[in-house]
Amino acid sequence: EAGVTQFPSHSVIEKGQTVTLRCDPISGHDNLYWYRRVMGKEIKFLLHFVKESKQDESGMPNNRFLAERTGGTYSTLKVQPAELEDSGVYFCASSQDMYFQETQYFGPGTRLLVL
Amino acid sequence: AQKVTQAQTEISVVEKEDVTLDCVYETRDTTYYLFWYKQPPSGELVFLIRRNSFDEQNEISGRYSWNFQKSTSSFNFTITASQVVDSAVYFCALSEAPGGSYIPTFGRGTSLIVHP
Repeated sequence: EAGVTQFPSHSVIEKGQTVTLRCDPISGHDNLYWYRRVMGKEIKFLLHFVKESKQDESGMPNNRFLAERTGGTYSTLKVQPAELEDSGVYFCASSQDMYFQETQYFGPGTRLLVL
Repeated sequence: AQKVTQAQTEISVVEKEDVTLDCVYETRDTTYYLFWYKQPPSGELVFLIRRNSFDEQNEISGRYSWNFQKSTSSFNFTITASQVVDSAVYFCALSEAPGGSYIPTFGRGTSLIVHP
């Protein structure tokens, strides 16, 4: 069974440009999460989809970030315009259910560097 | 509010040494789950273990073992006879029961370097 996949693995862009990250969850997982880790710090929650609906987007830093999950399958996270502080590793995770004991399975992450 | 502290930023050992990674957590809930994930150089976060707050039994899986102590709010991870392939960043995480946050809170991670 394929795990969570993310594309691209790396992205280097200039400040002010736009970048779109993609996540494909494990097949059959209704719950999809986005996280970010700035170098050396905690992995921080950004938002949570249940199927195509946003369940919790309390972690989104500002309106330069837009996440979508059309059709309840893969998800995209767009940063527009990118700023220097957006640099970090963006992880996607998925789970079968959204209960607190549920294990989330993570993808390899997208390393974003904004210059 | 929940919090996870991994005080060790980086640990360096020589192969075959035992190593313990510390994890201390804070929560007001009596029902919660603790997790450990491994992030090898390839980047993905690999799930290692999940432990609920009512089960304080230590767990052993091969060379890996976990010591959960509610009295000290700790969930430490020990690798016995470490190997180079154990080199990775290890994250401890906590999620709380409904009423608290089901979204896991992560520590900052501990980078383990195992030298041949």
